[in-house]
Amino acid sequence: SQQGEEDPQALSIQEGENATMNCSYKTSINNLQWYRQNSGRGLVHLILIRSNEREKHSGRLRVTLDTSKKSSSLLITASRAADTASYFCATDAMNTGFQKLVFGTGTRLLVSP
Amino acid sequence: AAGVIQSPRHLIKEKRETATLKCYPIPRHDTVYWYQQGPGQDPQFLISFYEKMQSDKGSIPDRFSAQQFSDYHSELNMSSLELGDSALYFCASSFGVGRSYNEQFFGPGTRLTVL
Repeated sequence: SQQGEEDPQALSIQEGENATMNCSYKTSINNLQWYRQNSGRGLVHLILIRSNEREKHSGRLRVTLDTSKKSSSLLITASRAADTASYFCATDAMNTGFQKLVFGTGTRLLVSP
Repeated sequence: AAGVIQSPRHLIKEKRETATLKCYPIPRHDTVYWYQQGPGQDPQFLISFYEKMQSDKGSIPDRFSAQQFSDYHSELNMSSLELGDSALYFCASSFGVGRSYNEQFFGPGTRLTVL
């Protein structure tokens, strides 16, 4: 079964609003990463949070990690139409030397002008 | 800054043909990962290489093989192509397997269409 589940599957908001996406995973992890993908395009790395970190910021992005609940959230503040994309969380399992990423199902974000 | 380069960007093949996808990692990155993303799906790990040796293997069909060369570029070879192989194929690179901090940077992908 998939490591990550994301919710909501789709989110529609207006420009200027905040968007929150959640990700849950099953196994213990080293890191959790968030990626953005415009329709059918490449995966853009947004942010990495380590398992011993609880919160991380990058510009308008805020990521939280709760390892006790095996969940993470991505908050995009003051959203823009250009933020329209699919957002994936990806985890790599703890205690493995080879850190393949296991992706969540993704959240499709639509930001309307 | 240099990014991961993949070629070709688009590829159209007939069933039962073969295809070769190439990946050039970010300079100094020693680890390459291949992922497959079907339509409307999340990316699925196929295989990875560290210092030219296979380091991990995922749900990669036996019809597929891959290798990493001395210059760290990697090639994914796909034979006896099937319609279900139509997907986006991503390569990612990172520096240092086994490190606790493992940012993977993805290339733009190769879109393979099998007719």
